[in-house]
Amino acid sequence: EAQVTQNPRYLITVTGKKLTVTCSQNMNHEYMSWYRQDPGLGLRQIYYSMNVEVTDKGDVPEGYKVSRKEKRNFPLILESPSPNQTSLYFCASSLSSQGSSPLHFGNGTRLTVT
Amino acid sequence: AQSVTQPDIHITVSEGASLELRCNYSYGATPYLFWYVQSPGQGLQLLLKYFSGDTLVQGIKGFEAEFKRSQSSFNLRKPSVHWSDAAEYFCAVGAAETLSFGAGTTVTVRA
Repeated sequence: EAQVTQNPRYLITVTGKKLTVTCSQNMNHEYMSWYRQDPGLGLRQIYYSMNVEVTDKGDVPEGYKVSRKEKRNFPLILESPSPNQTSLYFCASSLSSQGSSPLHFGNGTRLTVT
Repeated sequence: AQSVTQPDIHITVSEGASLELRCNYSYGATPYLFWYVQSPGQGLQLLLKYFSGDTLVQGIKGFEAEFKRSQSSFNLRKPSVHWSDAAEYFCAVGAAETLSFGAGTTVTVRA
């Protein structure tokens, strides 16, 4: 089944404790992206990747890192999480980066930073 | 840069009634336009998309949307709403490398 898999689904952590949210897609998609969803703000893009070893900042990259060492994986790293990073995070992928390709979303990771 | 506005934060509609969700966008060229739906606890699912051609596009679950260039709008419609349509709906506009989402409209369906 074609899908984007994020783990974990729920995560509670404390300020400053490094964490990684994994994302994997099995559709051989070139483009992958991370979004955070906050009430009243919709989805805001954190980082995106147009292909292996190519990553770029989205609208809200501060406090986050990503890597794209393999085509299928695009982990999101929070080196020193803070409470303002409490949010619902979505990983997504699409066939190409041309803006016309629909995104396929994971089921989300709800992160709480205390 | 592109931007999207969804003027309605929350809409309540009776089952069987029609539904229209508004979306206005700002973009310098003809955009790629999308509507996504998010059911509780789920990721976003694509309802429909517009790239070019016929300005009335049909999607899944009986939804349709109309692109109006003169109004910079891409409103979503459904003639008869079912209880399972209760969800949050997001309009999005795509450029070369990024996709911008509106803040979303929550739809409540009452019996």
